[in-house]
Amino acid sequence: GAVVSQHPSRVICKSGTSVKIECRSLDFQATTMFWYRQFPKQSLMLMATSNEGSKATYEQGVEKDKFLINHASLTLSTLTVTSAHPEDSSFYICSARDIAKNIQYFGAGTRLSVL
Amino acid sequence: RKEVEQDPGPFNVPEGATVAFNCTYSNSASQSFFWYRQDCRKEPKLLMSVYSSGNEDGRFTAQLNRASQYISLLIRDSKLSDSATYLCVVPSGAGSYQLTFGKGTKLSVIP
Repeated sequence: GAVVSQHPSRVICKSGTSVKIECRSLDFQATTMFWYRQFPKQSLMLMATSNEGSKATYEQGVEKDKFLINHASLTLSTLTVTSAHPEDSSFYICSARDIAKNIQYFGAGTRLSVL
Repeated sequence: RKEVEQDPGPFNVPEGATVAFNCTYSNSASQSFFWYRQDCRKEPKLLMSVYSSGNEDGRFTAQLNRASQYISLLIRDSKLSDSATYLCVVPSGAGSYQLTFGKGTKLSVIP
């Protein structure tokens, strides 16, 4: 079964609304989680590294005020896309690192469509 | 050189064929490498990890050439279920847990 749960799997929203995506590690504690974005026929691009109890680290070109990340516990990180616009439509995937196994597990992804 | 570069394909092969993918990377400090498989509109799933010169798991063999900075994935006796996009993944730096993904190589196994 899945070891990383991501919810929701699909979101359709109007331009200007905010969308919250949750990522949970189910069988292990994850001090570090990662958020990726994948456009059609493109590779996964790392958006930010989510650190439990501290601020997220954003990749160059990713607006921290637009993509709010909260990692309040060892099993949950959330990504909020604020004031979403059509260009934010993409496949958002989270991952969590299992330190004991040195493996990153991915959530099933959230397909966001902004109308 | 791009951080992680793969031949995008597509590779269209008949069932039972042997197919190989190559991947080149630019970060010479990387110590471990991964091949992930991604089905259409799904999340990537770990296929193989490569820490030394190579790794074999059933029909899949991954090889690493540090001097030339490339990794290969060989699939023998291809099955229809092998049809997917194969992603070459390299940590972003020595000890780094951030991963850099290649664009992927698309494989279609044809009956």
